[in-house]
Amino acid sequence: ILNVEQSPQSLHVQEGDSTNFTCSFPSSNFYALHWYRWETAKSPEALFVMTLNGDEKKKGRISATLNTKEGYSYLYIKGSQPEDSATYLCAFHGSSNTGKLIFGQGTTLQVKP
Amino acid sequence: ETGVTQSPTHLIKTRGQQVTLRCSSQSGHNTVSWYQQALGQGPQFIFQYYREEENGRGNFPPRFSGLQFPNYSSELNVNALELDDSALYLCASSLKRGALQYQETQYFGPGTRLLVL
Repeated sequence: ILNVEQSPQSLHVQEGDSTNFTCSFPSSNFYALHWYRWETAKSPEALFVMTLNGDEKKKGRISATLNTKEGYSYLYIKGSQPEDSATYLCAFHGSSNTGKLIFGQGTTLQVKP
Repeated sequence: ETGVTQSPTHLIKTRGQQVTLRCSSQSGHNTVSWYQQALGQGPQFIFQYYREEENGRGNFPPRFSGLQFPNYSSELNVNALELDDSALYLCASSLKRGALQYQETQYFGPGTRLLVL
């Protein structure tokens, strides 16, 4: 059974703080690691698709790194804002020709003004 | 460009009934995946449809079935509903170009929340 773990489960930070969370995934049969941001009552929003060991991706104040050999990815948010409050999901793609994503349970971030 | 839409937004059914959930994929996409999210868990893959055929299935019983239509929209059907089927059902569309599907982003709809009483 393939397992994707995210930590912490939830996080409360003050506006302006920088924060990071972790996604752990199997290091075998790796094809891609996806990050999503999911605000309450909205659709999950795609942030990054990462495929290569050592990949670093950035979108505004959000960035992510990937280590496929040890099976982890970090998501960083620099200078958190209240609008960053959301659940952040990572998903492991272990198959080349189907769309099956294996999701972690998510990290819920609350940014206080 | 129209995003992924799902209908209905909410649904209440009783145990033993059947339900059909609908998904319209994003313009230009040819693949639809369905996920179930139970409370406190991440989404779990049910199955994917590509060019009207099932292309991968997760660990769900046969009473979960689907269809994809020529316009790439899709339906998820669940027969003999059980209390544990209460969940948020998400669909996601993507563009499958040859074998390199893992590089493609899946774009999600807002989900249908199903409550089984």
